[in-house]
Amino acid sequence: DADVTQTPRNRITKTGKRIMLECSQTKGHDRMYWYRQDPGLGLQLIYYSFDVKDINKGEISDGYSVSRQAQAKFSLSLESAIPNQTALYFCATSDPKQGGTGANVLTFGAGSRLTVL
Amino acid sequence: EDKVVQSPLSLVVHEGDTVTLNCSYEVTNFRSLLWYKQEKKAPTFLFMLTSSGIEKKSGRLSSILDKKELFSILNITATQTGDSAVYLCAVDGNNRLAFGKGNQVVVIP
Repeated sequence: DADVTQTPRNRITKTGKRIMLECSQTKGHDRMYWYRQDPGLGLQLIYYSFDVKDINKGEISDGYSVSRQAQAKFSLSLESAIPNQTALYFCATSDPKQGGTGANVLTFGAGSRLTVL
Repeated sequence: EDKVVQSPLSLVVHEGDTVTLNCSYEVTNFRSLLWYKQEKKAPTFLFMLTSSGIEKKSGRLSSILDKKELFSILNITATQTGDSAVYLCAVDGNNRLAFGKGNQVVVIP
């Protein structure tokens, strides 16, 4: 099984619908992230969480919300989807305390491709 | 605001060529610079660099960091078609990663 699992992998929806993307991890990492990827734009940070009670906005949080239900679960919601939210969404985890290096190396899920019509 | 700029954004090379990818950055509280490879799926980790002048190597790939001039280079020697991918540079500052737009590399036989 994958260390970081995203569901759904693909979703097509209509403008105005509420959408939730879910992420679960078995790595035991404290930190979780949601990124969005558009062609030619790299990865843009939407929200991140350093533990269950910690939620932080990233570069492009408008139109999105998140919930950290447990250490292993971090979900991303689009309350009212719009076409320019069509993108590939990645969940990632990290734990600088592991490995002894203090490095913030991200492990990514396989991605959730969302299309808003 | 943290800034990561990669160049060139796209290049096409022939098998056997050498590729040099550039990443420059402006970030407060720099901790490390990371390179990832993305082949139509999730990015996979290649290197992490924290100190200037120390080259990291993995097979035909190598990378080096210059913390004074604020840039990193990723080299790929004797390229193969399997090296075709987007190479992402990310900088860890303020406890989160800021990514560049990526270097898209296409290797043709």
